[in-house]
This record gives sequence, structure tokens and C-alpha cells, in this order.
Amino acid sequence: AQSVTQPDIHITVSEGASLELRCNYSYGATPYLFWYVQSPGQGLQLLLKYFSGDTLVQGIKGFEAEFKRSQSSFNLRKPSVHWSDAAEYFCAELNAGNMLTFGGGTRLMVKP
Amino acid sequence: GAGVSQTPSNKVTEKGKYVELRCDPISGHTALYWYRQSLGQGPEFLIYFQGTGAADDSGLPNDRFFAVRPEGSVSTLKIQRTERGDSAVYLCASSLGLAYTGELFFGEGSRLTVL
Repeated sequence: AQSVTQPDIHITVSEGASLELRCNYSYGATPYLFWYVQSPGQGLQLLLKYFSGDTLVQGIKGFEAEFKRSQSSFNLRKPSVHWSDAAEYFCAELNAGNMLTFGGGTRLMVKP
Repeated sequence: GAGVSQTPSNKVTEKGKYVELRCDPISGHTALYWYRQSLGQGPEFLIYFQGTGAADDSGLPNDRFFAVRPEGSVSTLKIQRTERGDSAVYLCASSLGLAYTGELFFGEGSRLTVL
């Protein structure tokens, strides 16, 4: 069965430090991959998506992600974290039935 | 409206009661999705509509759950004989076309608590 794994349930980083959130997918030779952010009291917001082409994709709010087929990974990165980035982050993959399968999420906390 | 609207934002009910959750998608969006998010987990797919018809309802957990979208716009998720395990945030999303062609826009969710 298709699955998306986010190994880190919680991550704490200091403001200004770099960030990498891990994601592994299990389905498809050419996956469609997404990262969403969920802030308290707000709906899920799309940060970026990968369909094909350049394996390094840029998103909103200074985020980027790199698709690595050999590792079945799609890790999210940001060079310098801001306090407002504290939220829950979800990796997702589109399956053949046109539904998104989400990982369990990583909760990011930012220390001042 | 500008975004996906879900009502109610919070619903507390007693075990065994009937519940309806409403989703008003972005105008013109033909695809509509329902997801369920339990505490500490990622959203789980329930059902998706393309227009008025349910294109895939394989995520509905059992026959107590049902969803409709009679005019291809507003959708209602209906839960009969609620159980404590149904407590979760129910998320609705819409998109202009199929998910792979564009972005899914999510509402803020309806938090259901079954006592």
C-alpha cells in the first residue's frame, strides 16, 4: 500500500538556524509530491509541489525541497527559520486514484 | 467566498446522534475532497467528488458515513449513529480540476467531538 513517512514527529530549531524536514514516499516511479503547512486555526496551505523536471523545487515563504529518487525522499529545507514558521508540516503524495496520501506530520517548534 | 468554508467549526455531540458537516468550496472548483484528521496524525482521505458524483468513496470507514454534493458545489458529510472514535477534525478541500493539475485549497476544518 502507498505510504508517506515523516520520521520526525517533533523538531525544535533555534530562530535563524537551518531546517530540514524528512519525507519518504513509497509509491510510483514518477511521483507527484507535495509539502503542506498547517498553522493553528488555519487550513492546510501548499508550500510547494514536485511533478517532474528539476529535482530542486522552490516554494513559498523561502522553503525548498529536493526530490531524490534513489532515496525515495522529498525533504523540505529552509536556510534560516523564523519564529512564524512554527507549525505542523505534512508531506503528501498523489496516488493513481487522484487522492493525496499524507504523512503523519512533523511539528516544528522555533526557539528564540 | 474567497476560500473554502466549513461549518460548523466545532460540533459536540453525544454518542449515537446524527451529525452533518457542511463544506462550501471555492466558486468554480469542480473537485471536492473530504479528509479526516485525528489528533496527532495526518489527514486521511474519505471521499472525493468530481462535479456532483462521488468519483471515489473508498476512504469512508463504514456505512455510517455518507456524503453528497447535489448541485456540484456545496457538499455535506453525514455521520449516523456517531461513535467516540469519530471524534476528529474533518477537512474539506477543493480544486479547479483534478488534484494533479493544480493545488488543493483546504478549509479550516470542522472539529467533531463525540461524548
